[in-house]
Amino acid sequence: DQQVKQNSPSLSVQEGRISILNCDYTNSMFDYFLWYKKYPAEGPTFLISISSIKDKNEDGRFTVFLNKSAKHLSLHIVPSQPGDSAVYFCAASGNYGQNFVFGPGTRLSVLP
Amino acid sequence: DTGVSQDPRHKITKRGQNVTFRCDPISEHNRLYWYRQTLGQGPEFLTYFQNEAQLEKSRLLSDRFSAERPKGSFSTLEIQRTEQGDSAMYLCASSFALAPEGLTDTQYFGPGTRLTVL
Repeated sequence: DQQVKQNSPSLSVQEGRISILNCDYTNSMFDYFLWYKKYPAEGPTFLISISSIKDKNEDGRFTVFLNKSAKHLSLHIVPSQPGDSAVYFCAASGNYGQNFVFGPGTRLSVLP
Repeated sequence: DTGVSQDPRHKITKRGQNVTFRCDPISEHNRLYWYRQTLGQGPEFLTYFQNEAQLEKSRLLSDRFSAERPKGSFSTLEIQRTEQGDSAMYLCASSFALAPEGLTDTQYFGPGTRLTVL
């Protein structure tokens, strides 16, 4: 049973537009969430995180929104750039980052 | 380079053989994680260490798997009597946490070791 779901295996967006990647979770004990980006032949790279005491966190072009009641978070990338093309993983933890559960990933393609 | 390194990057072995992977974390990091990733899936947590202590193991870590971090620096992951289902990418990550139960700082991942069991 997947505790962290990313229901869109892939997403294509035009350069300059907004990319919205979604993530849903089932475990109400999760209190810390992260987004990672992964290029081929490399390990995942941390992008941005959010704890359950907040509903929004921004870092440059990246913003993560958390809706605890819906058990949903989303990553917004504005404006999208071709270099953002990668697989994006959502991850969640229920005990302050001791054990992370990852979603299956969404492949983002930003078209020039 | 002060990133997380893993060795080897690729390993091909025959079913039934033992394999060992090594992970060198970022030097000031006290927490080290092992994950396994199969095609089309996200990384699956296997185990983690706080310094030399192994604090948690996933039920995915069968008796054939063992991990060590003897001096709180590098770590090894050994798989005994490999099976074809063990074929995957094995990822290591490190981070810093103030206490065993404390919130971890950002995890930094290594490039992974791709295992193929024939």
